[in-house]
Amino acid sequence: GAVVSQHPSWVICKSGTSVKIECRSLDFQATTMFWYRQFPKQSLMLMATSNEGSKATYEQGVEKDKFLINHASLTLSTLTVTSAHPEDSSFYICSARDGGRGQAFFGQGTRLTVV
Amino acid sequence: AQSVTQPDIHITVSEGASLELRCNYSYGATPYLFWYVQSPGQGLQLLLKYFSGDTLVQGIKGFEAEFKRSQSSFNLRKPSVHWSDAAEYFCAVDGNQFYFGTGTSLTVIP
Repeated sequence: GAVVSQHPSWVICKSGTSVKIECRSLDFQATTMFWYRQFPKQSLMLMATSNEGSKATYEQGVEKDKFLINHASLTLSTLTVTSAHPEDSSFYICSARDGGRGQAFFGQGTRLTVV
Repeated sequence: AQSVTQPDIHITVSEGASLELRCNYSYGATPYLFWYVQSPGQGLQLLLKYFSGDTLVQGIKGFEAEFKRSQSSFNLRKPSVHWSDAAEYFCAVDGNQFYFGTGTSLTVIP
């Protein structure tokens, strides 16, 4: 199947700093990318949907100024957690798909710890 | 509106016993449905998917799922569970967005 690479796999940062997470589709063009957040022992909560070249659509309750999403090319989307706080510590997973509805391919996730 | 529900938060089965994990969805058109498995601290692994056609879908690791339109369900089954199947299982529906159910945690006892 198609490969989605997410980097970094884990990161520790200090409160108040910003962290950028990258999601790349390695062998296909991802017209749509999704970003999820997962708390321990909970499901994946969709944070936002991004389409290449346009602004991301955020789910209700997700702060768009806190979680900046950029989908500047067909193979790369980034999630930047700005002014990180300990409560932002979580597992973040991206997924990408080619074209319309259909199988989305997932990155391996990024474990963010804010200290 | 689009949603997916997994009624069972946690299931415990004995090794060798059969397994069924429930998934119900809500979507206005024909959904694309998926089952994923996640081991602790790991990413997601696709078990199987349904797009159209035969309503009984075979997946990896001996899993299968049956799409029942009349019941809006896509239950996951395995005839004989192995200890290595212990993990978190997520049903997902792809409509306008790709949403996950709340997950079912599977414990396998010897």
